[in-house]
Amino acid sequence: DSGVTQTPKHLITATGQRVTLRCSPRSGDLSVYWYQQSLDQGLQFLIQYYNGEERAKGNILERFSAQQFPDLHSELNLSSLELGDSALYFCASSVGDRHYSPLHFGNGTRLTVT
Amino acid sequence: DQQVKQNSPSLSVQEGRISILNCDYTNSMFDYFLWYKKYPAEGPTFLISISSIKDKNEDGRFTVFLNKSAKHLSLHIVPSQPGDSAVYFCAAILNYGGSQGNLIFGKGTKLSVKP
Repeated sequence: DSGVTQTPKHLITATGQRVTLRCSPRSGDLSVYWYQQSLDQGLQFLIQYYNGEERAKGNILERFSAQQFPDLHSELNLSSLELGDSALYFCASSVGDRHYSPLHFGNGTRLTVT
Repeated sequence: DQQVKQNSPSLSVQEGRISILNCDYTNSMFDYFLWYKKYPAEGPTFLISISSIKDKNEDGRFTVFLNKSAKHLSLHIVPSQPGDSAVYFCAAILNYGGSQGNLIFGKGTKLSVKP
């Protein structure tokens, strides 16, 4: 158990809809990272927050947004969903704000867009 | 354009033998490399890392070798155990003159260790 909690585990929704994925980081970790894993793809970095502030941005679509709350949990909002957004979305956390620290991943949220 | 490549989607090894997982990269500005292991229905877990100033790092049965001139790294598992069966991801970090880059992952290699 990594200590990172992601909810929900599975999500099925229709094109054009909006969903929110939730992540609770490991106790004591200040950084939260979001990654997307599509079929046959490696993990693609989306965005990082550190202690409530956006720290780094990857290939995140404009239809996607995220935030980290004062209690350090984070939410990833996906809107105007398309079939291609179907993927596994992982949240990870670390103590510091640098990727050199090993990341602790949650078990992911599997999003299916129909 | 993939900057971190794991060209073998799968690898099958007998228990007790050595497993060698390979990873190639294209960007010479990568300065830190990590391996993560992933079991089905779980998130990746950190396994071992190596800085670009080193050519080898060892942790128990796991050893990572880095060949900077060839832009190649490999993960050796000796001896392999059935519990090592998982998908292994190679990842790298770019260093932009001191500024942190993001983790860039390969697509993974599925290792099967047969009893």
